[in-house]
Amino acid sequence: NAGVTQTPKFRILKIGQSMTLQCAQDMNHNYMYWYRQDPGMGLKLIYYSVGAGITDKGEVPNGYNVSRSTTEDFPLRLELAAPSQTSVYFCASNQGGNGELFFGEGSRLTVL
Amino acid sequence: AQSVTQLGSHVSVSEGALVLLRCNYSSSVPPYLFWYVQYPNQGLQLLLKYTTGATLVKGINGFEAEFKKSETSFHLTKPSAHMSDAAEYFCAVSWGDSSYKLIFGSGTRLLVRP
Repeated sequence: NAGVTQTPKFRILKIGQSMTLQCAQDMNHNYMYWYRQDPGMGLKLIYYSVGAGITDKGEVPNGYNVSRSTTEDFPLRLELAAPSQTSVYFCASNQGGNGELFFGEGSRLTVL
Repeated sequence: AQSVTQLGSHVSVSEGALVLLRCNYSSSVPPYLFWYVQYPNQGLQLLLKYTTGATLVKGINGFEAEFKKSETSFHLTKPSAHMSDAAEYFCAVSWGDSSYKLIFGSGTRLLVRP
């Protein structure tokens, strides 16, 4: 049972570089989410998707982009990385409504 | 605006002692309430949730929480702490049938002393 799989687990970027965080789920969930976790701040929603081809902004979308071409995959792209994007990123999924969120193990990104 | 507050960023208890982690929310509509646990270097996993019905909710690993509307609280308790309970705990709130509106508290790190 893979659940939600995130890659890479760790990455160091230089300011101005771009990268994509990958997220895949094998539970056939319609809803997928990207959160960032900063110390003492809890989790903040970056983007979410309610199904293939549909995405929308969360609380902190600036500096990020997403796409959802399939039910399984929900990549998060960082354009022109900045030190403020140093964080731990979590992908999550569920069937929608108020169902349990299933989280990946996180991707730790450092921008220097 | 809706919000959720966790009192105490760090809580330390002795093994075998009562665990009490506090969560208060502000909302003008009935909330759905959740507690998630995060072990080191892992993602979050659901401990328990309240949507409707019985206000005392039992979760995994012996944890429970009680929804008190008059106090706008959803505190998490466990009668006897175990070393394996050491983790970070997050309270979260949503409203309506919209889990994408889940708002997380800032988290409470639980330390269990032998």
